[in-house]
Amino acid sequence: ETGVTQTPRHLVMGMTNKKSLKCEQHLGHNAMYWYKQSAKKPLELMFVYNFKEQTENNSVPSRFSPECPNSSHLFLHLHTLQPEDSALYLCASSPQSGGDQPQHFGDGTRLSIL
Amino acid sequence: GESVGLHLPTLSVQEGDNSIINCAYSNSASDYFIWYKQESGKGPQFIIDIRSNMDKRQGQRVTVLLNKTVKHLSLQIAATQPGDSAVYFCAENQYSGAGSYQLTFGKGTKLSVIP
Repeated sequence: ETGVTQTPRHLVMGMTNKKSLKCEQHLGHNAMYWYKQSAKKPLELMFVYNFKEQTENNSVPSRFSPECPNSSHLFLHLHTLQPEDSALYLCASSPQSGGDQPQHFGDGTRLSIL
Repeated sequence: GESVGLHLPTLSVQEGDNSIINCAYSNSASDYFIWYKQESGKGPQFIIDIRSNMDKRQGQRVTVLLNKTVKHLSLQIAATQPGDSAVYFCAENQYSGAGSYQLTFGKGTKLSVIP
């Protein structure tokens, strides 16, 4: 149990579907992150939220839309995705963003785009 | 450009032997490093971290060594067990501009333990 829970664990969707990924952390952290993990590539940071405010958007296409209603919950809304978006999407949290603190990860959502 | 990388993509060790996983970094200004372990079907799990004012840090069966002179980081696992089989990543806390820092990850080394 990592303290960071992601749902669903697996998701298959067509390119015209709209779906959302959910992340919840029970660690009392104030920063939350979305990462994309593709085969044979390093983890790619997508978004950072600190105290519910988005502080980083690493040039992510607008078909990915994050939402952070409070410090414990993070969503990633998906719309009109492409086959190359198939990957493992990981959520992480840390006490605050940036700085020298470890991030704690969930087990990810495996996303497949048909 | 600045990057975090790994010398070996795969490593096979006999159960009971010690394992050493290496990581090279190129940003001399980085001051914080982390090692993660990722098992199949799971997210990365924090193992140990080290700050640049240290050159060695020990945990339970793991030791991280930092050599700032050659910009090298290593993870040593003592008495490797089958449960240690996983992909290991190093991560570097790197300045990303506008007062922000981001963790930059290497591609990972796959450790396989032979029973």
